[in-house]
Amino acid sequence: TQLLEQSPQFLSIQEGENLTVYCNSSSVFSSLQWYRQEPGEGPVLLVTVVTGGEVKKLKRLTFQFGDARKDSSLHITAAQPGDTGLYLCAGGSNYKLTFGKGTLLTVNP
Amino acid sequence: NAGVTQTPKFQVLKTGQSMTLQCAQDMNHEYMSWYRQDPGMGLRLIHYSVGAGITDQGEVPNGYNVSRSTTEDFPLRLLSAAPSQTSVYFCASRLKWTGSYREKLFFGSGTQLSVL
Repeated sequence: TQLLEQSPQFLSIQEGENLTVYCNSSSVFSSLQWYRQEPGEGPVLLVTVVTGGEVKKLKRLTFQFGDARKDSSLHITAAQPGDTGLYLCAGGSNYKLTFGKGTLLTVNP
Repeated sequence: NAGVTQTPKFQVLKTGQSMTLQCAQDMNHEYMSWYRQDPGMGLRLIHYSVGAGITDQGEVPNGYNVSRSTTEDFPLRLLSAAPSQTSVYFCASRLKWTGSYREKLFFGSGTQLSVL
């Protein structure tokens, strides 16, 4: 089973601050996905990164896939309370999508 | 377009009872799956299906059965519930399981199950 380690596990910041969360593995993935989950709901896909070194931007969120396709990061600029949630990375192989344990982000107003 | 619908939203069982968690999707997705989410453990794959009549085990299949008689429905059965099965269960689907794994996985809103 391919493992995905996410860090930090918890992160509490003030509105307007920047932050980065990480997703690391010892295995190579053909692609990695990032999801956000809000309380009482299922995860929702934010982005898929496919190419080593790829950078994708989604408004204030910047996603990067490592050159070796073993790790990924999510950077949020000027965080807002609406960014609060559980951020999950996921990688797939052999019909199975494996999720990391997530980073629980709280953005305080 | 309803997406992925899970019922019930909440359920309390006694040890040894059986029940079925329902999952239906209206997007004509070939691939469907069940995950459980526990504090500190993340999302773990229970069973999955790549099409009607085809199912396979995920990471934590023990204590759970599935079947896929139609494209739309993928029920999860607990034959004899145990306290260790207390969790939040999510059903998820995607159009196909392509080689590049780029396709979006759509999740239902979950079933919170407590086994006493």
